[in-house]
Amino acid sequence: DTEVTQTPKHLVMGMTNKKSLKCEQHMGHRAMYWYKQKAKKPPELMFVYSYEKLSINESVPSRFSPECPNSSLLNLHLHALQPEDSALYLCASSQDLAGAKNIQYFGAGTRLSVL
Amino acid sequence: GESVGLHLPTLSVQEGDNSIINCAYSNSASDYFIWYKQESGKGPQFIIDIRSNMDKRQGQRVTVLLNKTVKHLSLQIAATQPGDSAVYFCAENTYYNFNKFYFGSGTKLNVKP
Repeated sequence: DTEVTQTPKHLVMGMTNKKSLKCEQHMGHRAMYWYKQKAKKPPELMFVYSYEKLSINESVPSRFSPECPNSSLLNLHLHALQPEDSALYLCASSQDLAGAKNIQYFGAGTRLSVL
Repeated sequence: GESVGLHLPTLSVQEGDNSIINCAYSNSASDYFIWYKQESGKGPQFIIDIRSNMDKRQGQRVTVLLNKTVKHLSLQIAATQPGDSAVYFCAENTYYNFNKFYFGSGTKLNVKP
């Protein structure tokens, strides 16, 4: 099983709403990632978790709050988002961070629209 | 800042022809490069990787070439098929220490039947 599952597939929210994106993998991977992808652009790294600890935060605004409840799950909590935050949010996982174990497996993403 | 860029944003090829997708990188510390393929409505999918101690690596119908002198890598797809139509990204990192992981700007490959 090389699948990373993201829910929901689509999400529409207002700027005052609170919502969460969920990501799950059962490959035994110990590194998990959140990316943001705008149309016709490459994915941009947001957060990296390694062994359930936040390893990298790419200066992401605090209205995005990641959480890693266990080694299989990764959440992204959203609060007071702006319309420019509308994008495809991708989750990925890899065996580990270093070397060829960093090959990342991606979910299909959550298409987020902020009104 | 450091960046990974591509020369051609769109590439159209005839089915059965070979495709070459190019990528330039600027971070001299990067020693590990990965190609991903992203089909419409899907997340990126790993294709092939190469470390800087190699110049060439082959997979099934794909070959990656690395020229460290000019900081350039390319992805060659043999006998291109309609299923190869997608956006292709190169990405760079350091092999022993995950530091900055960058995707290039991407090349859209259109395969004409």
